[in-house]
Amino acid sequence: NAGVTQTPKFQVLKTGQSMTLQCAQDMNHNSMYWYRQDPGMGLRLIYYSASEGTTDKGEVPNGYNVSRLNKREFSLRLESAAPSQTSVYFCASGRAVNEQFFGPGTRLTVL
Amino acid sequence: GQQVMQIPQYQHVQEGEDFTTYCNSSTTLSNIQWYKQRPGGHPVFLIQLVKSGEVKKQKRLTFQFGEAKKNSSLHITATQTTDVGTYFCAGISGTYKYIFGTGTRLKVLA
Repeated sequence: NAGVTQTPKFQVLKTGQSMTLQCAQDMNHNSMYWYRQDPGMGLRLIYYSASEGTTDKGEVPNGYNVSRLNKREFSLRLESAAPSQTSVYFCASGRAVNEQFFGPGTRLTVL
Repeated sequence: GQQVMQIPQYQHVQEGEDFTTYCNSSTTLSNIQWYKQRPGGHPVFLIQLVKSGEVKKQKRLTFQFGEAKKNSSLHITATQTTDVGTYFCAGISGTYKYIFGTGTRLKVLA
């Protein structure tokens, strides 16, 4: 089992560019999450998907969109990147209110 | 909105000393989880507490959930260099929304 995989591992964007972060899990989990982690801020929930076909906003959804493509995959899109979106992005999956399994993260820099 | 605060932000200890981090929520929580993140790594689940006043132990780690379900603590006895990392609590309010604390970064000096 690969667990939770994320691509890419690193990315540098210019302000205004767009990109999609990919996440996939092979644990048959219903729930998937996107977080961002900034120094001193902990992890903040951007969007989550309780099950295939549903998505909901978390604490900091502005500037992002998500797609739950199927049960395995949950992508995060930045339509017009801004320097404030420089962060480490983690995808996670789990079963309802049980432990979350995190991917290795994507380190994004927006210049 | 709901907030989860953790103290201290940083803690340096000598190997063999004890360590405690505290987590406080502005609202009552359904459950609370604890995660550990090694430098450069991703968060890894440690434990979940559900009941008011619950205490759980994992070897040298002791986790407590407050009676009012608004606070929690993680205590490590006799720290080792392998305990280095950042410890996060995550409060759950409702079914799927996790609110993470700001984390406590632990450094253990050999």
